[in-house]
Amino acid sequence: QLQLQESGPGLVKPSETLSLTCTVSSGSIGRSTYYWGWIRQPPGKGLEWIGSVYYRGNTYYSPSLKTRVSISLDTSNNQFSLHLGSVTAADTAIYYCARQREILYFGEISSPGYFDYWGRGTLVTVSS
Amino acid sequence: DIQLTQSPSSLSASVGDRITITCRATQGISNYLAWYQQKPGKVPELLIYATYTLQSGVPSRFSGSGAGTDFALTISSLQPEDVATYYCQNYNSAPLTFGGGTKVELK
Repeated sequence: QLQLQESGPGLVKPSETLSLTCTVSSGSIGRSTYYWGWIRQPPGKGLEWIGSVYYRGNTYYSPSLKTRVSISLDTSNNQFSLHLGSVTAADTAIYYCARQREILYFGEISSPGYFDYWGRGTLVTVSS
Repeated sequence: DIQLTQSPSSLSASVGDRITITCRATQGISNYLAWYQQKPGKVPELLIYATYTLQSGVPSRFSGSGAGTDFALTISSLQPEDVATYYCQNYNSAPLTFGGGTKVELK
């Protein structure tokens, strides 16, 4: 059974960079047909997609976060990471990592799809 | 970006009731729609993808329908364990988007 586990600081100061790592077990992140994504959920609110990375390193980001976010793969450690810069209190949320199925449009254009396995989530609070 | 509007935002129903949640997209997304269930204090779980395909292990009382811009999630006979918030998600090319959620409670 595939498992994902988020790790990183639970408290980040305003204007600093939020950095989280997702460790994947019982499955290789270097395998095609999957993307690896980050989603967040402010306390008591809905889900927001942050971005996704393909096994080849191609990335897709939410337009609203694009200028501040970076997602990368570390295939040697079977991990992928999220970096979100210049954080404010509005970035306080539970952050989830998840596996995504690859969607092929017209049989050849690859894009991130739905999320079929999720990590347990980690609460990150932005506060001084 | 494609926006998803779910309705209602919350509902209260009795055990055994048939309930339907709708999800409307601001433009056509073919059948690239998924539904998730998030029980209180828990991680979201995939229920349905490609509009109507049940994820493995999901009870058959859940069903999905629709195409284009209008979609629905139906629970044919509401059970106590179905108390949760339900989200739709568009994956018809990035940026991916979620609906605002529908909270389902028991009367």
